Amino acid sequence: DAMVIQNPRYQVTQFGKPVTLSCSQTLNHNVMYWYQQKSSQAPKLLFHYYDKDFNNEADTPDNFQSRRPNTSFCFLDIRSPGLGDAAMYLCATTGDGSNQPQHFGDGTRLSIL
Amino acid sequence: DAKTTQPNSMESNEEEPVHLPCNHSTISGTDYIHWYRQLPSQGPEYVIHGLTSNVNNRMASLAIAEDRKSSTLILHRATLRDAAVYYCILSFQNNNDMRFGAGTRLTVKP
Repeated sequence: DAMVIQNPRYQVTQFGKPVTLSCSQTLNHNVMYWYQQKSSQAPKLLFHYYDKDFNNEADTPDNFQSRRPNTSFCFLDIRSPGLGDAAMYLCATTGDGSNQPQHFGDGTRLSIL
Repeated sequence: DAKTTQPNSMESNEEEPVHLPCNHSTISGTDYIHWYRQLPSQGPEYVIHGLTSNVNNRMASLAIAEDRKSSTLILHRATLRDAAVYYCILSFQNNNDMRFGAGTRLTVKP
C-alpha cells in the first residue's frame, strides 16, 4: 500500500498560471519534505515542515510556497510558474530524528506550456 | 553542513558484488549515513543507514570506516533491477534536513 501519495502524477500548466501539487501520507510522520528534481540531477530540497514549523531552504525562490493544513497533507504552490520550473516534484516524510529513513512518493512531473 | 562525494558512475556485471564508495570527510560525530537509490521514473527508495557500526539488511550492507570519513554500500549480488542512481546522504542530529549529493549511477551488465 502506498504510504506517501502524490497527486497528480503528471501536471501541465501554462506559463504564469498558479499550480498546486499535493502530497498525503498514511504514516503519521511529523516531518514532510518537498524536493525539486530536474532531468539528470539529484533531488534538491526546497523546504520541509516539522509538524507545523516551516523550514525554507535559503535558495528556494519566493515563487514556491507550501502549506500543511494537518499531519497527513502537504501542498506545494507555485505562484507564477516559469519554464525553468518544469521538473519532477518529490514529497517525502520521515519520523522525528536523524536516524529515521525518508519515505518518498513517486513524484509529480510538472510541465509548463 | 557536511558534504558527501561519490563517483559519478560505476559498472557491474550481473550476479557480482558491487561496492559503492562515499566520502564524507567532514562528518560530525552525530551524523547518520543514509543510502537511497532511485530507479528511473520513481521516487528515491531507502536502502540502509548507520552511525558507526556496519549494518546489514535484506537489500544491502553498509560498511563504515573506523574514522567515519567514508562508507561503502555493498550489494552482494547485483541484478539488473539494481541499476539505479545511488545517493549517500548525511543526516544531522536534531536537524531534519536531508540534502542529496550528485549520486552514483550504477549500470549492471548482463
